[in-house]
Amino acid sequence: DVKVTQSSRYLVKRTGEKVFLECVQDMDHENMFWYRQDPGLGLRLIYFSYDVKMKEKGDIPEGYSVSREKKERFSLILESASTNQTSMYLCASSSLGGDLNYGYTFGSGTRLTVV
Amino acid sequence: DAKTTQPTSMDCAEGRAANLPCNHSTISGNEYVYWYRQIHSQGPQYIIHGLKNNETNEMASLIITEDRKSSTLILPHATLRDTAVYYCIVRSRYGGSQGNLIFGKGTKLSVKP
Repeated sequence: DVKVTQSSRYLVKRTGEKVFLECVQDMDHENMFWYRQDPGLGLRLIYFSYDVKMKEKGDIPEGYSVSREKKERFSLILESASTNQTSMYLCASSSLGGDLNYGYTFGSGTRLTVV
Repeated sequence: DAKTTQPTSMDCAEGRAANLPCNHSTISGNEYVYWYRQIHSQGPQYIIHGLKNNETNEMASLIITEDRKSSTLILPHATLRDTAVYYCIVRSRYGGSQGNLIFGKGTKLSVKP
């Protein structure tokens, strides 16, 4: 019954590495989102996408990029990982409801540690 | 910035109703009230949403005041598994970036035996 799958539950990377976080949804949703969650700061939107090949910056895009080559897959890329990117990363998807009567479905999260 | 205000934490006895308040005094006519919860180490889970009428589903009830400036999420018979952070979110009914979910700090609900 898993609908949004994040490739790794836990990840440890070194400073300066290029990191790929993968997210796949099987609900044929148009919209996909990447958030990060930090203690005391809550969930913050990094990037989102409303269609294949389309992306838009969220509230904290610096240091990140994304890729959406297929409808079901949305990748978050840390070009050069830094310790301040240690965080829980959450992927979500939603359908394109004209009246927005649809909630988001979230993945279980990837806890990334940059050392 | 989040457009809602919630208490930081609340306690509830197991089996009793949990009533979680939310203030959204600047809500516009085009905005829904959504509730999500996040159990420890999991992604947020959709609970319920409403525009101006009260809503009920298998998980909870949502009571929205007539002026729409506040709402209450009701878990009628709280269990230990309802211990989580509950987020009240105001969200535009239209698409585009206005419809994105913006999370605040939420309310940490602790259900005690």
